Amino acid sequence: EDKVVQSPLSLVVHEGDTVTLNCSYEVTNFRSLLWYKQEKKAPTFLFMLTSSGIEKKSGRLSSILDKKELFSILNITATQTGDSAVYLCAVVPYGQNFVFGPGTRLSVLP
Amino acid sequence: SQTIHQWPATLVQPVGSPLSLECTVEGTSNPNLYWYRQAAGRGLQLLFYSVGIGQISSEVPQNLSASRPQDRQFILSSKKLLLSDSGFYLCAWSVGVLSTIYFGEGSWLTVV
Repeated sequence: EDKVVQSPLSLVVHEGDTVTLNCSYEVTNFRSLLWYKQEKKAPTFLFMLTSSGIEKKSGRLSSILDKKELFSILNITATQTGDSAVYLCAVVPYGQNFVFGPGTRLSVLP
Repeated sequence: SQTIHQWPATLVQPVGSPLSLECTVEGTSNPNLYWYRQAAGRGLQLLFYSVGIGQISSEVPQNLSASRPQDRQFILSSKKLLLSDSGFYLCAWSVGVLSTIYFGEGSWLTVV
C-alpha cells in the first residue's frame, strides 16, 4: 500500500528560525511529489518535484527530492508568523491518485 | 485562468438528514475532479474521483455518494448523515498527466 509519512507532525519555532520539514514515501511507480501549504481552508500549491537533486526555490521556501532514499525536505528560512500553517506532502504514482501525508503543523511565534 | 467554487462553506446538519455539497470548475475542460475529507488533525482522505461525466470512482465505502452531471460540476451527497461524517470536505481538480491538484475553499460539515 502506498504511504506518505511526514515529520515532525507538529513544530513550534520563533520568528527568524529556519525549519526543515520532512516527507518520506513508499509508493510504486513514483511520478512526482507535491508540497502544499494549508492555512485556514484550501491547501495552496507550493512545489512539484519530479527529479532528484534539483532544488525548487520560492522566496524563503525551498524543497528538494531524493528519489534514491525516497524522501523530500521543505526548508523555510527566516520564518515569519505568516508561515504558520499545516504543510502537506503528496506523492503521485503513475496511473494512481495523489497520496497525501498527515501534514506538519508549523506554528511560528513572534 | 481556472477557478474552482465550492459551497456551502459551512453546514450544520442533524443526524439522518441529507447532504449536498456542490463544486464547479471554470476555465478548463474535462478536468479530473476529486472529493476529499479532512478530519481534525488528520490528512486528506480521498473519497471520490471522476475523470469524466458520469464516471465516478469510490475510494472508501461509506454512506456518501458523488455525481458528475456536467463536465465541470461535481456533487457530493448523502441520504442520511452520520455523526462520523463531520469534517472538512474539499473539492479539487487537476488536468493532464503531470499536473498539480488545485483545491476549492472547502466546506465545514458538522453533524449534530
